[in-house]
Amino acid sequence: GAVVSQHPSWVICKSGTSVKIECRSLDFQATTMFWYRQFPKQSLMLMATSNEGSKATYEQGVEKDKFLINHASLTLSTLTVTSAHPEDSSFYICSARGFYITDTQYFGPGTRLTVL
Amino acid sequence: KNQVEQSPQSLIILEGKNCTLQCNYTVSPFSNLRWYKQDTGRGPVSLTIMTFSENTKSNGRYTATLDADTKQSSLHITASQLSDSASYICVVSEFTSGTYKYIFGTGTRLKVLA
Repeated sequence: GAVVSQHPSWVICKSGTSVKIECRSLDFQATTMFWYRQFPKQSLMLMATSNEGSKATYEQGVEKDKFLINHASLTLSTLTVTSAHPEDSSFYICSARGFYITDTQYFGPGTRLTVL
Repeated sequence: KNQVEQSPQSLIILEGKNCTLQCNYTVSPFSNLRWYKQDTGRGPVSLTIMTFSENTKSNGRYTATLDADTKQSSLHITASQLSDSASYICVVSEFTSGTYKYIFGTGTRLKVLA
């Protein structure tokens, strides 16, 4: 089956620093990748949708200058949280959607970000 | 407005018992409905997917039903195990303007006790 990985699985950083999270589709080419954040005991909230080679589309209320998304290849998308603050602490999950099964998204295992 | 509502919000059952989780949606145009299991600190894993014409789909001890007329779905778990403790999320896909969008339910948190 389709596998999506994320790296790192958890990260702790100081307030004001930037953190990069990678999302990779391991055995298929992902034309579209999605980034979600999830707060404790809540469901996933879509942050942005990225298509390979083009700018990401951000959901309302998500600061694109704070959450930089790059989808430079068909197997890799990155989310950079710039100048992180404690309120950015959350669980970030990516998912990927391939060429042929366009209604199916495969989720990564998530990245736990803690900003001190 | 497209919405997906799940109930109950949380549920505690004893190991070996059955349970049923509910999902009601108002998504249109409807493409498919998926149930996901999400363990704490992990990404969601797909359990079942159903299209408009499918009424029921099983995956081991998990059985999902879909009533497209009433826009309701359920996930039945048989002979629960401790490992079933997780959040269960109902996600409905809509197909609009040549692309798929996903509407997430708020999830049901299931706790199975020994």
